[in-house]
Amino acid sequence: DAKTTQPPSMDCAEGRAANLPCNHSTISGNEYVYWYRQIHSQGPQYIIHGLKNNETNEMASLIITEDRKSSTLILPHATLRDTAVYYCIAVAGGTSYGKLTFGQGTILTVHP
Amino acid sequence: DAGITQSPRHKVTETGTPVTLRCHQTENHRYMYWYRQDPGHGLRLIHYSYGVKDTDKGEVSDGYSVSRSKTEDFLLTLESATSSQTSVYFCAISDLRGGNTIYFGEGSWLTVV
Repeated sequence: DAKTTQPPSMDCAEGRAANLPCNHSTISGNEYVYWYRQIHSQGPQYIIHGLKNNETNEMASLIITEDRKSSTLILPHATLRDTAVYYCIAVAGGTSYGKLTFGQGTILTVHP
Repeated sequence: DAGITQSPRHKVTETGTPVTLRCHQTENHRYMYWYRQDPGHGLRLIHYSYGVKDTDKGEVSDGYSVSRSKTEDFLLTLESATSSQTSVYFCAISDLRGGNTIYFGEGSWLTVV
C-alpha cells in the first residue's frame, strides 16, 4: 500500500500562503496523489489531484517533486474558512489497486 | 454534487443487533468504499469494492461485512453491533481512471448503546 505521512498540525496567518507537505515514498508510477479536506464532521471535500506535473485550480496549487516521493499543497491566501483537517491520499497499486488509505491528516488552523 | 447518498443518516441501535448501512450511487463508478471515523482520528478504511461482487478488506474490517450485488449499491453490515462500532461512517466512490475525483457521502452517524 502507498502510505502517506503528514505533519499532525500547522498554523497559518489569515491572508498568508499555507504550505502543507505530504510524503508518499511508495507511490506507484501511474498512481495519483489526491488532496482532500474535512471541516468538522462533514464528508471530505475534494481539493486537487496530480500525477507528475504541478497543478492549480481555483482552490489550491499542488507541487509534486520530480521523484514523486512527496508533494505540497499550497493555499495561496488562507482564510479562516480554510481551517480544517487536510488529507493527502496515495492510491495503492498491485493487487490492491483502487484501495484508498488515508493518513492521519494535518490539522490546519488559520488565525486572524 | 456527486450522486451519492447514504442511509440511514442517523441510527441508534442496541448492542448485539444487526445493522445495515446503505450507500447508493448514480455515477456508475466502479469503486466504492466504506470508512469509519472516530473522534480525534482520521478516516479508516473498512472495506472496499472494485466491482459487482468483488470486495476486499481494509484496515479495520473485523466485525463488518459488505455486499455489492449491483453497481449502484454497496451495503455495510454489522452482524452484531458493539459499542466500539459507534462511529461516523462515510461511503466514497471513484472511477480512478485518469485521476477521476473521489466523491464522499455525507456520513451516517451510528450509535450503539
